Amino acid sequence: NAGVTQTPKFQVLKTGQSMTLQCAQDMNHNSMYWYRQDPGMGLRLIYYSASEGTTDKGEVPNGYNVSRLNKREFSLRLESAAPSQTSVYFCASRNTGLVEHEQYFGPGTRLTVT
Amino acid sequence: EDKVVQSPLSLVVHEGDTVTLNCSYEVTNFRSLLWYKQEKKAPTFLFMLTSSGIEKKSGRLSSILDKKELFSILNITATQTGDSAIYLCGGTSYGKLTFGQGTILTVHP
Repeated sequence: NAGVTQTPKFQVLKTGQSMTLQCAQDMNHNSMYWYRQDPGMGLRLIYYSASEGTTDKGEVPNGYNVSRLNKREFSLRLESAAPSQTSVYFCASRNTGLVEHEQYFGPGTRLTVT
Repeated sequence: EDKVVQSPLSLVVHEGDTVTLNCSYEVTNFRSLLWYKQEKKAPTFLFMLTSSGIEKKSGRLSSILDKKELFSILNITATQTGDSAIYLCGGTSYGKLTFGQGTILTVHP
């Protein structure tokens, strides 16, 4: 099992450029998440998908869009990158239902917007 | 909106000290409280707590949840330099997990 994988690992964008961060999990989890992490800010939830076919805004959704392509894949799109979006992005997945489960994280994508 | 607050935000101790990290939460339809340790990469899972008053232990780390007062603590005894990390707690409701801002723990030799 690869767990949660993310691509790319690093990316540098110019202001105004667009890009998509890819995330996939092979654990058959129904919930998937995108977080950003900035110094002193912990993990802030951008968007999440509680189950295939649904997506919901988290704490900091502005400037981002997401697609739950299927049960395995959850992508995050920056349509017009801004320097304020410079951050480390983590994708995560978890099984949800009658019993609670831990959340598994991908290795992260370090994004710099100049 | 769900909210999780951790304290202190940072802590500096010496090896052998005992530390207590705090996590308070306001989460609609709360289901569980998760603790993670983060070094220079992705967070790694420590504990999941769903019931009040039942302590979970793993070596020198332990944690407990109080669902009446809406908080959890993480204790680390006999700290070591390898315990230096960011400690994150998060509260879950159906399908959603909200984290606090983390506590940065630094353990000096």
